[in-house]
Amino acid sequence: SQQGEEDPQALSIQEGENATMNCSYKTSINNLQWYRQNSGRGLVHLILIRSNEREKHSGRLRVTLDTSKKSSSLLITASRAADTASYFCATDGREETSGSRLTFGEGTQLTVNP
Amino acid sequence: NAGVTQTPKFQVLKTGQSMTLQCAQDMNHNSMYWYRQDPGMGLRLIYYSASEGTTDKGEVPNGYNVSRLNKREFSLRLESAAPSQTSVYFCASRKQMNNLPFYGYTFGSGTRLTVV
Repeated sequence: SQQGEEDPQALSIQEGENATMNCSYKTSINNLQWYRQNSGRGLVHLILIRSNEREKHSGRLRVTLDTSKKSSSLLITASRAADTASYFCATDGREETSGSRLTFGEGTQLTVNP
Repeated sequence: NAGVTQTPKFQVLKTGQSMTLQCAQDMNHNSMYWYRQDPGMGLRLIYYSASEGTTDKGEVPNGYNVSRLNKREFSLRLESAAPSQTSVYFCASRKQMNNLPFYGYTFGSGTRLTVV
């Protein structure tokens, strides 16, 4: 069963707008990660947030984590057509020394229109 | 730096045939993983290898076997392919450390497998 559920399943915006994607999960986590997948390609790691962190930034990306609500959000600011892709959240419930195993959500398909 | 390399990129099999999907990484990563991706299902873990010499089942291991040949290579074998194994298969690797910081995964570009 999938650990993460993402919302919305699909999002279409205009270039320059912000895009927000949400992820909810069911069990306790060690860290949560976001990945991007362009059509027909492999996944690319975007950002990792640890369970004791609440917010993290990387360029135009902002990730928040609320462990009390078991949810995370990914904000892409000033979106570009090149941001068009599927975005996946993935949770890692294990201790770092026990071996990582990521569980993925079903993804959000983001379309940025020029 | 090639990262994670998967071969082949495409394959069509007949039901009952066998094949091995190859994966190699050149980043000296300890952990390697095999996922399958089906429409609307996200990625599901088939098998993983936390370090050279160890392998463990993931969420959907039935119908598959794996071999961690050495630190670089982690292969996935389908002994008797079934139409339900039609999917896109991704190999990934990760630097496994005993201490912080945490690391993300590096994915290959995938193998698109069709079983007819």
